[in-house]
Amino acid sequence: GAVVSQHPSRVICKSGTSVKIECRSLDFQATTMFWYRQFPKQSLMLMATSNEGSKATYEQGVEKDKFLINHASLTLSTLTVTSAHPEDSSFYICSAPGGPGDEKLFFGSGTQLSVL
Amino acid sequence: SQQGEEDPQALSIQEGENATMNCSYKTSINNLQWYRQNSGRGLVHLILIRSNEREKHSGRLRVTLDTSKKSSSLLITASRAADTASYFCAPVDSWGKLQFGAGTQVVVTP
Repeated sequence: GAVVSQHPSRVICKSGTSVKIECRSLDFQATTMFWYRQFPKQSLMLMATSNEGSKATYEQGVEKDKFLINHASLTLSTLTVTSAHPEDSSFYICSAPGGPGDEKLFFGSGTQLSVL
Repeated sequence: SQQGEEDPQALSIQEGENATMNCSYKTSINNLQWYRQNSGRGLVHLILIRSNEREKHSGRLRVTLDTSKKSSSLLITASRAADTASYFCAPVDSWGKLQFGAGTQVVVTP
C-alpha cells in the first residue's frame, strides 16, 4: 500500500520555540493531507485538512496562527507549531488518501512533541 | 462530520479467544472504516464497509454494519498476542471526512 513518511518521530523543545513536522507521501501524490492530534489513550482529533496549492482548512477551535500548515507540493505537507507551550505537548499524526478516489487513509508514524 | 463511539473502551482476552468491539454513530454515512493503532504509532487501515453492505471479511477480521441501528462491529477471531492494539472506527460522511472515536484498547495475553 501507499507509504506516508513523517519526521521527526520525537522532538523535545523549549517553550517559545517553533517546531516543524514533515509529512511526505513516498510513492503517490497527495493533493490532500490530514493532520491529527492525539492525547494519551484518547481519540485522534482532526486539526486541519491540508490542500496542495491552497490554504489549509482548519477545524473549529484550532488556531491557524498557532498551527501553520503548508502543502507546497504533491508529496509534502508541513505542520509548524509556533511559539510552542507545554500544553502543545502531544502526539501529532498526518495522513493522506492513497490516491485519487481512494477512500482509505494512510498514516505517518506520528511525532511525539514534548515542550519543556 | 461525526465521530464513531467505540464500545467497550478496553478489552482483555487470552490468545485464541475472539474479540468483539462495537461502534455507534449518529448520522448517515457513505462508508465506515476500522483502523488499528499500536502504541505510539500511526494508524493502519484494516477494512472498509460501504453503507449498502452488511458484512465483510478480511482474514481473521469480520465487520458488520447495521445502518438502521447506526452501528458496526469488528470481530477478531482466534486472537494472537500481536493483535494487542487500539482499534478505532471511523464513520465517513458524504464529504469524505473521517472522525475517529476514542477507540477500544485490546490486550491479548499469551
